[in-house]
Amino acid sequence: GQNIDQPTEMTATEGAIVQINCTYQTSGFNGLFWYQQHAGEAPTFLSYNVLDGLEEKGRFSSFLSRSKGYSYLLLKELQMKDSASYLCAVKGNTPLVFGKGTRLSVIA
Amino acid sequence: SQTIHQWPATLVQPVGSPLSLECTVEGTSNPNLYWYRQAAGRGLQLLFYSVGIGQISSEVPQNLSASRPQDRQFILSSKKLLLSDSGFYLCAWSTGTGDGYTFGSGTRLTVV
Repeated sequence: GQNIDQPTEMTATEGAIVQINCTYQTSGFNGLFWYQQHAGEAPTFLSYNVLDGLEEKGRFSSFLSRSKGYSYLLLKELQMKDSASYLCAVKGNTPLVFGKGTRLSVIA
Repeated sequence: SQTIHQWPATLVQPVGSPLSLECTVEGTSNPNLYWYRQAAGRGLQLLFYSVGIGQISSEVPQNLSASRPQDRQFILSSKKLLLSDSGFYLCAWSTGTGDGYTFGSGTRLTVV
């Protein structure tokens, strides 16, 4: 089976850096995805990792270690609009399986 | 460019009534299509997926069903809704080559 764990909630200050961790167990591995979901809206794609290492895209970076079954999403220069849920999702031998999401609150 | 349309946006239905949610994709051919449900405080749960017309895979046994009558059309149905069917229903598509999924805007279903 597949299992994805990530913290339920996090709080960070505007302008700071926050790291959201995700650990997973999966049958087969074909990539790890991060999505952002604002309250009441659909998830939107943030990043994709299939090889070990860091992928950087503006203020957002995502890291993957396949041997450890571990990923993190790094958000820099936090803004109030970054308050949202962040979903870790893994594609194994089945369609994408999502974690329950981490609700990030950015405070002034 | 590709777009995905999902409707209605919100729906309030009584217990025991039927359900039909529709999703269509434009700008691509032979997409993989998915139905997910997100209950309050829970993660996204995969309900059905389809890799082609008439091909439906069910992930969770329940009183819901899905159909794909056309290449870019995916329908979620129920003959009799239960209170536990309430949630946020999301349709998504992918090319199936390892890329991410693009979601529709979702339907918030409340069964009363």
